Amino acid sequence: GAGVSQSPSNKVTEKGKDVELRCDPISGHTALYWYRQSLGQGLEFLIYFQGNSAPDKSGLPSDRFSAERTGGSVSTLTIQRTQQEDSAVYLCASSLDRGLDIQYFGAGTRLSVL
Amino acid sequence: DQQVKQNSPSLSVQEGRISILNCDYTNSMFDYFLWYKKYPAEGPTFLISISSIKDKNEDGRFTVFLNKSAKHLSLHIVPSQPGDSAVYFCAASDTGGGSNYKLTFGKGTLLTVNP
Repeated sequence: GAGVSQSPSNKVTEKGKDVELRCDPISGHTALYWYRQSLGQGLEFLIYFQGNSAPDKSGLPSDRFSAERTGGSVSTLTIQRTQQEDSAVYLCASSLDRGLDIQYFGAGTRLSVL
Repeated sequence: DQQVKQNSPSLSVQEGRISILNCDYTNSMFDYFLWYKKYPAEGPTFLISISSIKDKNEDGRFTVFLNKSAKHLSLHIVPSQPGDSAVYFCAASDTGGGSNYKLTFGKGTLLTVNP
């Protein structure tokens, strides 16, 4: 079946603009995660959605970052007033349930803020 | 403060030989560890995991060893194949903390297997 799909694959934007990144998880997966990988760094947890529970937003770096998940499926990560330090690869993952279930990753969106 | 450290940014080995990738962690609450493999332009894919109740887990050519007292784990690939060339990420989780879904990743090690 189809894996985790992310769009766009690349996004170039100007400092101060807002961007939206989209994630389509694997069908039937109830848990969805967003990570960020800055240059030369490991993956950094941003936010976690599980079913209808309140998301864990503890990893979001500032209030310019927000995410939502509509209908328990597609998720959108929004970055407002982008800054150059937001440049990174944003990865989405999904898993069957939560906890120790294997997380399946999309190919990511490479965001470049000029 | 990096809680999961992969101190070797890169490793090069000959096809057929053993590849050993190392990972150290500082958070003593971590009790579940995973290795992910990442090819260019693709997302990371799960490779193998180990719980802290074990010190070894094996899956085909891949074996992960855990030394809890040293807070160290390693991934052994035997024999190494050119298709194993990728970035390998070590990740850790605290399963008792209520947020066991939250993985902490190292920076990764680029493995190159030469034919």
